[in-house]
Amino acid sequence: GENVEQHPSTLSVQEGDSAVIKCTYSDSASNYFPWYKQELGKRPQLIIDIRSNVGEKKDQRIAVTLNKTAKHFSLHITETQPEDSAVYFCAASIGFSGGYNKLIFGAGTRLAVHP
Amino acid sequence: DVKVTQSSRYLVKRTGEKVFLECVQDMDHENMFWYRQDPGLGLRLIYFSYDVKMKEKGDIPEGYSVSREKKERFSLILESASTNQTSMYLCATNRNDYYEQYFGPGTRLTVT
Repeated sequence: GENVEQHPSTLSVQEGDSAVIKCTYSDSASNYFPWYKQELGKRPQLIIDIRSNVGEKKDQRIAVTLNKTAKHFSLHITETQPEDSAVYFCAASIGFSGGYNKLIFGAGTRLAVHP
Repeated sequence: DVKVTQSSRYLVKRTGEKVFLECVQDMDHENMFWYRQDPGLGLRLIYFSYDVKMKEKGDIPEGYSVSREKKERFSLILESASTNQTSMYLCATNRNDYYEQYFGPGTRLTVT
C-alpha cells in the first residue's frame, strides 16, 4: 500500500542553525504535500504545504522543496528558535477518488532547538 | 475559524468496556477522519467518513467502528476495549475541494 517515510526521527540543533527533515512517498498520483507541526500537548497544525506543480515554496524561515521524479520532499527551517521545538509530520495525498481526499502521514520528527 | 472539538481530553477505561469518542466540527466540512497517534508510528488512519452515514476503512480499522448520523458529528467506537488500544486519538476534518485537514485537540485513552 501507499506509505510515507520520514527521516530523521529525532533532530537536535543549536539555536540559529538550520534544520532539514526529509520525506519520501510511494504513490505517484500524490499531488499535495503538507507539513504539520505539533507542539507538546497540542493538536497538529499546518505550517506549510506544496502542490505537485511547484518545486519550492517559502514562508519566512520555513521552506519546502519537492522532487516529483525522485518522490521526495523536504522541510527546511532556517535560523531555528527554541519555539520551533516540536514534532513535525509530513504527509502526502492519496490519489483522488470518489470526491474526497485522504492523507498518509510520516512517522514524525522530534525537533529540539537548544538555546 | 475552523473549530473541531472532541468529547474528552483524557479517558480511562477498563478492558472489555465499550468506549465512545466523539468529534464535532462547526465548519460544514464533508469529510471527517479518526487517527490514532503512537510514538514512532505517526498518525495512522482508522476510519473516515465523506458524508452522513457513509464511512470507509482506513489503515487500521480492526477493533473499531464509527458512526456519522449528522454532518457535524463523527463518533469512534471501541466495541470491547483492549490494552493495545491505549493511545492518543485525533479527529480531523476537511472539505472535498481542499486537502488541508483541521485537527481536534485529541483524546488520550488509557485502557487498563
